[in-house]
Amino acid sequence: NAGVTQTPKFRILKIGQSMTLQCTQDMNHNYMYWYRQDPGMGLKLIYYSVGAGITDKGEVPNGYNVSRSTTEDFPLRLELAAPSQTSVYFCASKAGRADEKLFFGSGTQLSVL
Amino acid sequence: AQSVTQPDIHITVSEGASLELRCNYSYGATPYLFWYVQSPGQGLQLLLKYFSGDTLVQGIKGFEAEFKRSQSSFNLRKPSVHWSDAAEYFCAVGARAGGSYIPTFGRGTSLIVHP
Repeated sequence: NAGVTQTPKFRILKIGQSMTLQCTQDMNHNYMYWYRQDPGMGLKLIYYSVGAGITDKGEVPNGYNVSRSTTEDFPLRLELAAPSQTSVYFCASKAGRADEKLFFGSGTQLSVL
Repeated sequence: AQSVTQPDIHITVSEGASLELRCNYSYGATPYLFWYVQSPGQGLQLLLKYFSGDTLVQGIKGFEAEFKRSQSSFNLRKPSVHWSDAAEYFCAVGARAGGSYIPTFGRGTSLIVHP
């Protein structure tokens, strides 16, 4: 099983550029999440989705957009990259049952210069 | 809104010594509680979780955690630390949402193991 796959692993952007971080899972999970991890700050929830066609904001959604057209894919879009978006981004998924754990991707390290 | 506090940024222990990592949470109802471990350059892996029942939960790699409602705590323990346990440890609380939960993570505790 591939689990949760994130691409790319590393990316450098210039201020004002846009990009999409890809996340796909092959476990047929309904719930998917995007987190960013800044040093010493833990993980902050950006957006989450409870199923195809349904998304909602997390704690730090500004500057990001998401879509969930299929169960498998949950891309994260940065429209106008800013230095404050330099971070490590993690995608996670879980099954619908309440007691299921999160499965994490290996992360995307993004630098905005 | 729920929150998680991990008061220790770094913890240093000698190999073979016991370990306790502290976690306090704020949540208005009975929480779902988790401990995750992150090795360098990797995503997070679940160590253990508490949903209900026995307040002492056992996890992988010899870790355990105890839920203490009166103290709003969920501290992680291990009786004898191995060098391979050096990693970042995250406590998380799951706020119930519909039939599932939304996880909120603490800032993490970095564990350093001396030989």
